[in-house]
Amino acid sequence: EAGVVQSPRYKIIEKKQPVAFWCNPISGHNTLYWYLQNLGQGPELLIRYENEEAVDDSQLPKDRFSAERLKGVDSTLKIQPAELGDSAVYLCASSLWPGPFYEQYFGPGTRLTVT
Amino acid sequence: SQQGEEDPQALSIQEGENATMNCSYKTSINNLQWYRQNSGRGLVHLILIRSNEREKHSGRLRVTLDTSKKSSSLLITASRAADTASYFCATDAGDAGGTSYGKLTFGQGTILTVHP
Repeated sequence: EAGVVQSPRYKIIEKKQPVAFWCNPISGHNTLYWYLQNLGQGPELLIRYENEEAVDDSQLPKDRFSAERLKGVDSTLKIQPAELGDSAVYLCASSLWPGPFYEQYFGPGTRLTVT
Repeated sequence: SQQGEEDPQALSIQEGENATMNCSYKTSINNLQWYRQNSGRGLVHLILIRSNEREKHSGRLRVTLDTSKKSSSLLITASRAADTASYFCATDAGDAGGTSYGKLTFGQGTILTVHP
């Protein structure tokens, strides 16, 4: 079974440039999450989708970040314009919720460097 | 914001020794999960313990949960060099009826180094 797929794996951009990350969740998983992970920290939730609906985006900086989940499958997270402080790893995860198991399955992440 | 605090922040042991990591949290939970992260495989789910459970085992892993103290511990027995990674606890908050919110809040992690 294929896991959560993310691309690109690495991205280096200059500040004020736009950037987009793509995520393909595990087949059949209705819930998709985007996390931000700073060096030495645990992941922090940015946005959570149940099917096509964003049910929790309270931590998403909406002035520069946007996300979408087309047809309840793939998702894209965008930053425009990027700032130096956005340098981090962006993780996508998926799960089947609610269900008997609550664990989330994570992709490898996209490491963003803003110069 | 981080829900939990993990202790210690870093742990260095020899192969064959046991490793114990602790996690404390602040709000009521439906379940608590432990994840491992290394550069090769990203974040991987290890074990889940529900709020009505006190102890759970999976292979060389043993997790305990004390909801009265809002704390959990992860014990890895007979550690191996391949166990070298960062370990995170994550809490899944629940409502008063115990229903999961389906949202994980991670701690800051413990960096475990196992020397061959």
